[in-house]
Amino acid sequence: GAGVSQSPSNKVTEKGKDVELRCDPISGHTALYWYRQSLGQGLEFLIYFQGNSAPDKSGLPSDRFSAERTGGSVSTLTIQRTQQEDSAVYLCASSPIGSRKANEQFFGPGTRLTVL
Amino acid sequence: QKEVEQNSGPLSVPEGAIASLNCTYSDRGSQSFFWYRQYSGKSPELIMFIYSNGDKEDGRFTAQLNKASQYVSLLIRDSQPSDSATYLCAARNFGNEKLTFGTGTRLTIIP
Repeated sequence: GAGVSQSPSNKVTEKGKDVELRCDPISGHTALYWYRQSLGQGLEFLIYFQGNSAPDKSGLPSDRFSAERTGGSVSTLTIQRTQQEDSAVYLCASSPIGSRKANEQFFGPGTRLTVL
Repeated sequence: QKEVEQNSGPLSVPEGAIASLNCTYSDRGSQSFFWYRQYSGKSPELIMFIYSNGDKEDGRFTAQLNKASQYVSLLIRDSQPSDSATYLCAARNFGNEKLTFGTGTRLTIIP
């Protein structure tokens, strides 16, 4: 079946502009995660959605970042007033069951964001 | 101190040898541990997870966990050039779904 898809694959924007990044998880996966990976760095957790529960937003770096998940499926990560330090690859992942002790997160191909 | 630490490498290992990748964690609440492989320009893919002390083997891969010493390792036997990638260690606390990743170790298998 189809994996996690993300769009756009690349986004170049000017400092101060808003951007929206989209994630389409694997069908039936109830858990959805956003991470970002800066050059040469590991993955940094941003936000987690599980079913209809309130999202875990503990990783969002500032109030310029927000995310929503509509209908328990597609998610959009929005960055307002982008800054150069927001440049990174933004990765989305989904998993089938969020509450198991060990669950695999399936990653999408990522969106490479460049803020000029 | 980062919650999950890895030697960034690069780690070079001759083809056919055993590659040993190490990871330490600081949060004793961490219960599950994951090894992801990430090829350059690609997204991470899960290799193994472990949550019990001891060894867990899957093909050429063995994950080792020592909760008392707070370290996790991944051994790759009979290393192949296709194993050349960055290996990310991640930890997860019980009841918390997010993964905390290390910065990764870049592994190069020399033919």
